[in-house]
Amino acid sequence: DTGVSQNPRHKITKRGQNVTFRCDPISEHNRLYWYRQTLGQGPEFLTYFQNEAQLEKSRLLSDRFSAERPKGSFSTLEIQRTEQGDSAMYLCASSGVSSYNEQFFGPGTRLTVL
Amino acid sequence: AQRVTQPEKLLSVFKGAPVELKCNYSYSGSPELFWYVQYSRQRLQLLLRHISRESIKGFTADLNKGETSFHLKKPFAQEEDSAMYYCALSGGSYIPTFGRGTSLIVHP
Repeated sequence: DTGVSQNPRHKITKRGQNVTFRCDPISEHNRLYWYRQTLGQGPEFLTYFQNEAQLEKSRLLSDRFSAERPKGSFSTLEIQRTEQGDSAMYLCASSGVSSYNEQFFGPGTRLTVL
Repeated sequence: AQRVTQPEKLLSVFKGAPVELKCNYSYSGSPELFWYVQYSRQRLQLLLRHISRESIKGFTADLNKGETSFHLKKPFAQEEDSAMYYCALSGGSYIPTFGRGTSLIVHP
């Protein structure tokens, strides 16, 4: 296990298309987080899971955004009908009971909407 | 509501100079505070957390509840300290709030 992984690393899409990103957390971590990061800003919390339960989703940016973690392992973040304003870095992080809320981040997926 | 303020977007110092990256927070409960660092072309990683009261790579940070601050300090900056630094606060709900970050540049 080499840490949190995210795929793809880069995604270029046309406005109006749907995109899906995948995050594989550290295997023993039960919490998984999604963030958006735009230029000059820190990570902006979107949603998080504890095991397969999505415990907070009110901060997803719109109803075009959705996330799943069906078996409590990997997670997907989907953006439907993408807009140019969705262009950003999407980060995933995981943490576990033993990590005292320390978050381990993935490398991110950079989305560009043309 | 939780809020983290990092007032400086950029901090530029010379090697060997002291460094202080400021972080102020707003939170009604007992906060859990962290500093994360992102070196060039690397992912975000934890630098230190206030509950550990430890020094990492020569950096320390003390939680000052009276001033609601958690400034990051290092007495003698090194070139390899050049990076983006983010202050983060986690309240009781496990939902963290990050500041906008401070870019530290250490000149030779």
